[in-house]
Amino acid sequence: DAKTTQPNSMESNEEEPVHLPCNHSTISGTDYIHWYRQLPSQGPEYVIHGLTSNVNNRMASLAIAEDRKSSTLILHRATLRDAAVYYCILGLYNTDKLIFGTGTRLQVFP
Amino acid sequence: NAGVMQNPRHLVRRRGQEARLRCSPMKGHSHVYWYRQLPEEGLKFMVYLQKENIIDESGMPKERFSAEFPKEGPSILRIQQVVRGDSAAYFCASSPRDSGSGANVLTFGAGSRLTVL
Repeated sequence: DAKTTQPNSMESNEEEPVHLPCNHSTISGTDYIHWYRQLPSQGPEYVIHGLTSNVNNRMASLAIAEDRKSSTLILHRATLRDAAVYYCILGLYNTDKLIFGTGTRLQVFP
Repeated sequence: NAGVMQNPRHLVRRRGQEARLRCSPMKGHSHVYWYRQLPEEGLKFMVYLQKENIIDESGMPKERFSAEFPKEGPSILRIQQVVRGDSAAYFCASSPRDSGSGANVLTFGAGSRLTVL
């Protein structure tokens, strides 16, 4: 399976922007980039996904490098409720299942 | 519009007993996925089903575990003769279709937490 690499943990202060990086150097041309997050004691929650162009939604923005070998999830103003584990996952063309890695644990300080 | 419903939320079993976890997908969703999360670890894919059909069970342990998604009713993950190592959170997700394009978005339930004594 195509792999992603994320930092184990990151910290942010409340109301500051957060940039969560993800490397996926083995991505193929048809693989989508997905981001999910898991708050403590809850199930994972969809955040955003994209293929080539940058994407924005009410939760976050996704910036995809031109060569698609990396991407960045951007939380424009972190809140305490954004403290979670963030997973960057490749959606492969030939399957609908998603393979989770270890993710980035984001801590947000008041 | 209820989300993915899992029950029970918490289940306690003694070694050797059976555990049955149920998952009702979102309305209109025809595909169900089961994941296991051991304490302090990431989610591990187990199985992917549509109604009356297992599509991918590459993550299922070879023994004691089975899954079904009947024509009527919820999907069920069954663990026979549970052992302490089965203690984990089991998450179910659903999606509306088999897109095969990599753009499929999964909606997860709140999970069922199994404790084996």
